[in-house]
Amino acid sequence: GESVGLHLPTLSVQEGDNSIINCAYSNSASDYFIWYKQESGKGPQFIIDIRSNMDKRQGQRVTVLLNKTVKHLSLQIAATQPGDSAVYFCAEGRSGGGADGLTFGKGTHLIIQP
Amino acid sequence: DAGVIQSPRHEVTEMGQEVTLRCKPISGHNSLFWYRQTMMRGLELLIYFNNNVPIDDSGMPEDRFSAKMPNASFSTLKIQPSEPRDSAVYFCASSTGTTLAGGAGELFFGEGSRLTVL
Repeated sequence: GESVGLHLPTLSVQEGDNSIINCAYSNSASDYFIWYKQESGKGPQFIIDIRSNMDKRQGQRVTVLLNKTVKHLSLQIAATQPGDSAVYFCAEGRSGGGADGLTFGKGTHLIIQP
Repeated sequence: DAGVIQSPRHEVTEMGQEVTLRCKPISGHNSLFWYRQTMMRGLELLIYFNNNVPIDDSGMPEDRFSAKMPNASFSTLKIQPSEPRDSAVYFCASSTGTTLAGGAGELFFGEGSRLTVL
């Protein structure tokens, strides 16, 4: 089975609203998590990462929350804009494994409605 | 920096033909990754190199796939012979290393090469 998965394949939100994209992981050994954004016709782009010794990390308009108890990861985007429309991937990895140890989920398509 | 550069962006070929995809990583990055993306399977790691040396090719689907990195600024992914099920977007990515120290886990992806095998 897949070790990283997403609860919702498509998420539609109104422009200006906050959005939450969820991700479940199954590998208890994973201690590094990354969110990527992929716009149509482009490669994935790094958004934010978090290590397992943290449960929250904030960036510009984005917040990642990690719940190790239930192996759940979420990406919150505040005040969504049309440019936020994309597919969002979570990825998990292990210390020492580096980027080579990353396993990607299948992605959630975020649609921003005007 | 121009980022990771891949070519061609699009390729349409017939079954049985050889396909060669090319990648130029970001200068100074010593790790290079080839991924394949399909709707069904998402992003799959095919192979990665560290300092031009292949480290793990367990993701390469079959012997029809091969990858080389003759120097720090160039890599190729070759499929011979190609089959319709190889149709996908192939991404090359690079990073500063294979440890999780600092931001070394961040992969910088190219724009991808969309392959269609008829």
